[in-house]
Amino acid sequence: KQEVTQIPAALSVPEGENLVLNCSFTDSAIYNLQWFRQDPGKGLTSLLLIQSSQREQTSGRLNASLDKSSGRSTLYIAASQPGDSATYLCAVRPRGTGNQFYFGTGTSLTVIP
Amino acid sequence: GAVVSQHPSWVICKSGTSVKIECRSLDFQATTMFWYRQFPKQSLMLMATSNEGSKATYEQGVEKDKFLINHASLTLSTLTVTSAHPEDSSFYICSVSPPGQGLSGQPQHFGDGTRLSIL
Repeated sequence: KQEVTQIPAALSVPEGENLVLNCSFTDSAIYNLQWFRQDPGKGLTSLLLIQSSQREQTSGRLNASLDKSSGRSTLYIAASQPGDSATYLCAVRPRGTGNQFYFGTGTSLTVIP
Repeated sequence: GAVVSQHPSWVICKSGTSVKIECRSLDFQATTMFWYRQFPKQSLMLMATSNEGSKATYEQGVEKDKFLINHASLTLSTLTVTSAHPEDSSFYICSVSPPGQGLSGQPQHFGDGTRLSIL
């Protein structure tokens, strides 16, 4: 069964810093990987989707990379802002097991003004 | 705008009550919808896959008689928590994937979730 792990579990940085969130998964046979943001008590907002054939995706200050063979993805946030404070989740869609996603444990980010 | 609408957003009820949560796909027809559960400070765990016109597929450890799923149309799936108890208190979220893009290109769109509190 696919297992998804995120490191660190929590991160606190001063405003303006660039930061990297890590996601690792045990089975490299995936269709895609998606990064989400979740604010406290809220649902999920999709940030970036990387297909299995892609190496990275960019949206504004966010850049996500995928190294499928090593089972890793990173989310890079440039020039962090207090509004970026949230929990960031990565999820993978495995091949051959249906359409569901398996979620990581999440990284709780706090950006200090 | 929102792709998925989930209702209600918050429910507080007494133990033993049955609670129904609705998930609507607003932008496209969805033959498959997914129900997740999230306990405090934990990640999302898939509960079941809702299939239009057929029985839902439940993940291991999820009681199908307790969590009734009905996917009666291509835009609506419902999750009913029957005879809810305090340990069922959780955050329930549904998701859908748009069709026609191939599995590699299919993102998942999530509802805003339902916070269920059983007293």
